[in-house]
Amino acid sequence: QVQLKESGPGLVQASETLSLTCTVSGFSLTSNHVSWVRQPPGKGLEWLGRIRSGGTTDYNSALKSRLRISRDTSKSQVLLKMNSLQTEDTAIYYCTRSVLWVSYFDYWGQGVMVTVSS
Amino acid sequence: DVQMTQSPYNLAASLGESVSINCKASESISRYLAWYQQKPGKPNKLLIYDGSTLQSGIPSRFSGSGSGTDFTLTIRSLEPEDFGLYYCQQHYEYPLTFGSGTKLEIK
Repeated sequence: QVQLKESGPGLVQASETLSLTCTVSGFSLTSNHVSWVRQPPGKGLEWLGRIRSGGTTDYNSALKSRLRISRDTSKSQVLLKMNSLQTEDTAIYYCTRSVLWVSYFDYWGQGVMVTVSS
Repeated sequence: DVQMTQSPYNLAASLGESVSINCKASESISRYLAWYQQKPGKPNKLLIYDGSTLQSGIPSRFSGSGSGTDFTLTIRSLEPEDFGLYYCQQHYEYPLTFGSGTKLEIK
């Protein structure tokens, strides 16, 4: 069955770079899109960006300068790197799947909590 | 960016009741709206997409309506498992944006 699982450090220092991994199973990265979405504690959801089935990327312009999404299809992994972290980046980070031609998310990972410490 | 305004912020209802949650877009998004349910410890669940299309496996007591800027999620005959947080999301243009959420609680 379709599964997505986020992993990464729970605590990161301000000004450093966050690296998260989304490991997927049950579907191919070359036939689906994967997005990253985050949710600060007690707040709403924010779309960060995605990597399309063909490997190209789209980013939220508000974060584009700090964000890079890539993938390793041999490992069925999507990688997120975000630099210059601030305490406002403290959030649960989710990876999600979208099938081709649509931009809603039919599967979500459980999320990984990331705390940025000053 | 398309701003999504969701209401009410909180909603309390009893089992068996029907409730509605509203979502308003800052500009027309045609029919391209999705609804999600969020519960602690579980992956977010897609309920509705394209405004009114029920995702596979979602009970028919959930329904969506609307187009343009105004949308509604209706849940008929509330069951215990329906309580939680609900979010709308426009999937019309990038960046994809979400509503601020509605917390549905048991009265």
